[in-house]
Amino acid sequence: SQQGEEDPQALSIQEGENATMNCSYKTSINNLQWYRQNSGRGLVHLILIRSNEREKHSGRLRVTLDTSKKSSSLLITASRAADTASYFCATDAMGATNKLIFGTGTLLAVQP
Amino acid sequence: DSGVTQTPKHLITATGQRVTLRCSPRSGDLSVYWYQQSLDQGLQFLIQYYNGEERAKGNILERFSAQQFPDLHSELNLSSLELGDSALYFCASSVASGWSSYNEQFFGPGTRLTVL
Repeated sequence: SQQGEEDPQALSIQEGENATMNCSYKTSINNLQWYRQNSGRGLVHLILIRSNEREKHSGRLRVTLDTSKKSSSLLITASRAADTASYFCATDAMGATNKLIFGTGTLLAVQP
Repeated sequence: DSGVTQTPKHLITATGQRVTLRCSPRSGDLSVYWYQQSLDQGLQFLIQYYNGEERAKGNILERFSAQQFPDLHSELNLSSLELGDSALYFCASSVASGWSSYNEQFFGPGTRLTVL
């Protein structure tokens, strides 16, 4: 079963606008990661935020983590058509393994 | 390019058949993970190997098995295939095995399996 649910399921914006995607999860975690997947292709790791971090930046990406609410958000600023993809959050649940449990994904379409 | 390779890219086979998917991890990575992505189930963790030993099991069917060889490449064997096994199968690798707060996994391009 999936750990996370993402919201919205789909998002369509214009180039230059910001896109915000939210992820909620169920159990305590070591870290939370965001991945991007272009249609039918492999997953690309975007950013990892540890459970003791609240915010992290990487280029045009900003990730926040609220462990009390078991939620995270991914903000993509100044979006580009090339950002069109599905975005997944994945949690590395606390325990002796590193298996990732993925959310349901947000499909982002950036219109040129 | 993540450094993780998977073969074949596409596989089309019939129900009841058996197939083997292959994965080579990034150089230096000891952990290999297998995931299945289907329309109805989403991305599901199947199994993890670390340095040749099984480390964790997820939603892996009994008809499926995997192994990791001494050179660290891994194979996922799917037998008695059913229509519902049609999916994208991803392999990922990482340096870490367990109890690590930092475990970036690098994903291969996937193998698309179609069962007719």
